[in-house]
Amino acid sequence: QVQLQESGPGLVKPSGTLSLTCAVSGGSISSTNWWTWVRQPPGKGLEWIGEIYHSGSPNYNPSLKSRVTISVDNSKNQFSLDLTSITAADTAVYYCASQKGGSLDNWGQGTLVTVSS
Amino acid sequence: DIQMTQSPSSLSASVGDRVTITCRASQGIGNYLAWYQQKPGKAPKLLIYVASTLQSGVPSRFSGSGSGTDFTLTISSLQPEDVATYYCQKYKTAPRTFGQGTKVEIK
Repeated sequence: QVQLQESGPGLVKPSGTLSLTCAVSGGSISSTNWWTWVRQPPGKGLEWIGEIYHSGSPNYNPSLKSRVTISVDNSKNQFSLDLTSITAADTAVYYCASQKGGSLDNWGQGTLVTVSS
Repeated sequence: DIQMTQSPSSLSASVGDRVTITCRASQGIGNYLAWYQQKPGKAPKLLIYVASTLQSGVPSRFSGSGSGTDFTLTISSLQPEDVATYYCQKYKTAPRTFGQGTKVEIK
């Protein structure tokens, strides 16, 4: 079973860029899976950020599209999230996940990113 | 974009009760719907996909039904370990939107 682990800074300054990586183990990122990022502000619900196939071709949430980039590194078996021009509203737990036929069957444990000066 | 609306937003029921959560899509999505369970401080866990298929290892007291725009998640006999927030997600096309969640508590 695929295992996922998020990593990145836990504190980011306003107007900066949030960068996270998701390491994939127990399987190849070059499989047929799509790879997804989801976030959850404290005390709130889940928000789908976007997804990418191992060969590229990402899809993004329209509400974040102007600020989001998701990329994949096949050589390192990982994929990444960059979110620019961040504000306090971007404070959240960020999850990476793998898809099976569209639904998200494996999730990382999540990483809390706080936006503060 | 298609919106997903869950009801109720929260519920309280007794152990052994039958619990039903509803998810409505603003447009038809076929049966491309998943349900997730999230316990406090934990990542979500896939319960059901293609509206009614139970993920491996999920107890049989959980079931899903529906197609098109109206879907339900049913817990046939609520157990203490089922205390969690439940989310639906449509995944026919991007953006693969989640419902706002339903918090289930024990009375």
